[in-house]
Amino acid sequence: DQQVKQNSPSLSVQEGRISILNCDYTNSMFDYFLWYKKYPAEGPTFLISISSIKDKNEDGRFTVFLNKSAKHLSLHIVPSQPGDSAVYFCAASTANFGNEKLTFGTGTRLTIIP
Amino acid sequence: DAGITQSPRHKVTETGTPVTLRCHQTENHRYMYWYRQDPGHGLRLIHYSYGVKDTDKGEVSDGYSVSRSKTEDFLLTLESATSSQTSVYFCATTGTGSPLHFGNGTRLTVT
Repeated sequence: DQQVKQNSPSLSVQEGRISILNCDYTNSMFDYFLWYKKYPAEGPTFLISISSIKDKNEDGRFTVFLNKSAKHLSLHIVPSQPGDSAVYFCAASTANFGNEKLTFGTGTRLTIIP
Repeated sequence: DAGITQSPRHKVTETGTPVTLRCHQTENHRYMYWYRQDPGHGLRLIHYSYGVKDTDKGEVSDGYSVSRSKTEDFLLTLESATSSQTSVYFCATTGTGSPLHFGNGTRLTVT
């Protein structure tokens, strides 16, 4: 039972355009959502997060949107750069930067085309 | 990487042998976790620890045990390795007010 779903295994975007990565969840108890970025042979690194009391959080080129009624979140990257090519994992938690037992999606491989 | 070192980075072992993976952290974080990453499954929690000698099971704990005798070290043991445990294993830590930080992983192959 996949509680966090990333239905697009891969995505290709031209450099300079917007990348939109999507994530859906089924557990209504989740109240904190995170995006992690992973390069080959490295561990995932934290990118951006959002609490369920918000519908948008922005950090530089990265913006996360949360639609609680649809149980959907998305990560927007604009403009996309070659260094953004990586696997992106959506994650959800019922804790907020404490004892986090994160539930991860299956990941989306983003390729930025120069 | 929050000062997380995983060892070994790569290991090949035979079915039925015990294997221990080590995670060492220098951040004095209270919480430590072991995840495994597999294609089509993302990262799944195996075991976690909320303090020295305090551990609990995650969603895929069967066939694994853990120990934490010191704040900085969290060991993952495969009692009798099986081919289904071929995976990439990630250790992670977190302190209060910080997101999960991951090590660079251990690639384990069970033949």
